[in-house]
Parts: sequence; structure tokens; C-alpha cells
Amino acid sequence: EADIYQTPRYLVIGTGKKITLECSQTMGHDKMYWYQQDPGMELHLIHYSYGVNSTEKGDLSSESTVSRIRTEHFPLTLESARPSHTSQYLCASSVGENIQYFGAGTRLSVL
Amino acid sequence: AQSVAQPEDQVNVAEGNPLTVKCTYSVSGNPYLFWYVQYPNRGLQFLLKYITGDNLVKGSYGFEAEFNKSQTSFHLKKPSALVSDSALYFCAVRGYNQGGKLIFGQGTELSVKP
Repeated sequence: EADIYQTPRYLVIGTGKKITLECSQTMGHDKMYWYQQDPGMELHLIHYSYGVNSTEKGDLSSESTVSRIRTEHFPLTLESARPSHTSQYLCASSVGENIQYFGAGTRLSVL
Repeated sequence: AQSVAQPEDQVNVAEGNPLTVKCTYSVSGNPYLFWYVQYPNRGLQFLLKYITGDNLVKGSYGFEAEFNKSQTSFHLKKPSALVSDSALYFCAVRGYNQGGKLIFGQGTELSVKP
């Protein structure tokens, strides 16, 4: 198992609430990624970071935002959650262009 | 444009039989190819990768994959399937000058029955 942690594992929240999904890695990896995945479906990259103070949007448009103030931390924020945001969110990290290591994911349900 | 295709949504095999999960890709330049496995309610686990060298790559849990440049394929194989191999398998590719970003296939559900 890789040392990359996501909290919470499960989140049920009402429409309009602000949420932050946490992702931390202890491997010192420079690159970090957020993917969105509907159950049993393919992964879509929504954000990535190549290092501190570097963030880019991914291939799938998302209303979420990210920050990278510290190497080990890459939180994802939704300012106003909607039912369309219901999905699983996976965080990953890699060193250079090598293997990506994934967290266990956060399953978000917006009512 | 770069892409990955896994033509089978589901593969069913009997325990002890060989298994193959198919993957084809389209990428500019030399591909970096990966296989990941996902168990229910979990993140993805790395199985194996092809960067360069021998076309047959060996990975975790007895899995291997064969890179075929002429057919642009990277099929995952195992000589003898186990019930515990039942999971969702993803092929991924990274092309030239793409940093660390991966393009994932749509996934193949592998079901191994006793």
C-alpha cells in the first residue's frame, strides 16, 4: 500500500454546502492528481499539480478548486455542492513521470 | 489525440484457466503503458508498466502483459486465474511530453468463478 491518504472516505451532504476533500502523501512526490470516477466507470482527470503553488485543470471540466501550498497536501474544495457532484474522487501522486499511487478515495453523495 | 480502449466491459473465466484482458492505445511517440486494478470501494493499485525493453512485462500477483507495437496493444494476462483476481482492471497510457498525466481506459470487470 502506498502512503497516500484521503479523508473522509464517505461524505453525505446537503446541496449548497461547502466541502473540502483532503489528500495527503508522505512519499515526497512532486506531482499530485485528482480524478473523478462514477462507480465502475473510467477515471477522469479534473486537477493536477506539478509542485508547490502549481495547479492545472484536467481534461474533465470541474467546478471544484484545488490548492498546493505544501508538497504533501493537495485538498479539493467545492464551494457549493450540488447533486451532480455525487461521485467518487480519487487522489494520486507520482514522482516525476513514474507510477501514480492512489488513495482509497472519497465517495461523495450530495442530497 | 491520445486514447486507450478496453473493448470488453466484462471478462468471465473459470478458476484455474488463463485470462486475458485486452487493451489498445493510440499515442504520439513511444508509449508508456500501465495496468491498474481496483477492488470494490478502493483506490487503484499498480500492477505493471511498460516503458521500454522486453515486450513481455511481469508484474504483481502473477500478472504479465505483452506490448505489441504493430498492433498498438498491451493485453494483460495471467496463466491461471484465481477467484480473488475478480476486480475492475484499467489500462492507462502516457504519451510524449504529457508530464505525469495518464489517460485511462473505461475499465474491464473481471469475474473469476470457482
